Amino acid sequence: EIVLTQSPATLSLSPGERATLSCRASQSVSSYLAWYQQKPGQAPRLLIYDASNRAAGIPARFSGSGSGTDFTLTISSLEPEDFAVYYCQQRSNWPITFGQGTRLEI
Amino acid sequence: EVQPVESGGGLVQPGGSLRLSCTTSGFTFSNYAMSWVRQTPGKGLEWVSGVSGNGGSTYYADPVKGRFTISRDNSKNALYLQVKSLTADDTAAYYCARDREHCSGGNCPPRYFDLWGRGTLVTVSS
Repeated sequence: EIVLTQSPATLSLSPGERATLSCRASQSVSSYLAWYQQKPGQAPRLLIYDASNRAAGIPARFSGSGSGTDFTLTISSLEPEDFAVYYCQQRSNWPITFGQGTRLEI
Repeated sequence: EVQPVESGGGLVQPGGSLRLSCTTSGFTFSNYAMSWVRQTPGKGLEWVSGVSGNGGSTYYADPVKGRFTISRDNSKNALYLQVKSLTADDTAAYYCARDREHCSGGNCPPRYFDLWGRGTLVTVSS
């Protein structure tokens, strides 16, 4: 099973700042990695798939990069609604696995 | 597209069984792989099981193999998860999730999830 390790566990920033979240895989997942946002009481929302492709309706301030074992989600300028928990997910190998999450707080 | 709706969760004793259901609308159900993903406060998100659009292929995470059975009824736009031999570790909110990519052949595996239900809570306790 591929283990995804996200860092930091918690990131404290202010609106307008740039956020950089990391996801590291225990073995190569090529570019088969996605990012999700989850707010309290809500289901996860797909942001990025295949490492760098924005999902439908996702603002351009969200971008993804990386391949192999190291991936980054960048939010260029934080909006108040961006403070949430972010998860990465790989689909390179079965089973599909998720990272443990990064909490982005104000 | 309408958010899927899960049902069937509840309080069950260790060793018990449940059948979770997920009803969908607003898209051609048979053209999408579907999955169940669960979430606990301690373990975060965990993909549990998936099924191809035509129902011909099923996929399971190791902790649930042999205990959970995923199925779908494309005539009813419905997804199911039969769960048995439940333990406290199965306590979680269970989400139904649609694959992001349309698959006209109906034989694609789950990959990424772009449409999620609100979840149904399963609590295993005596």
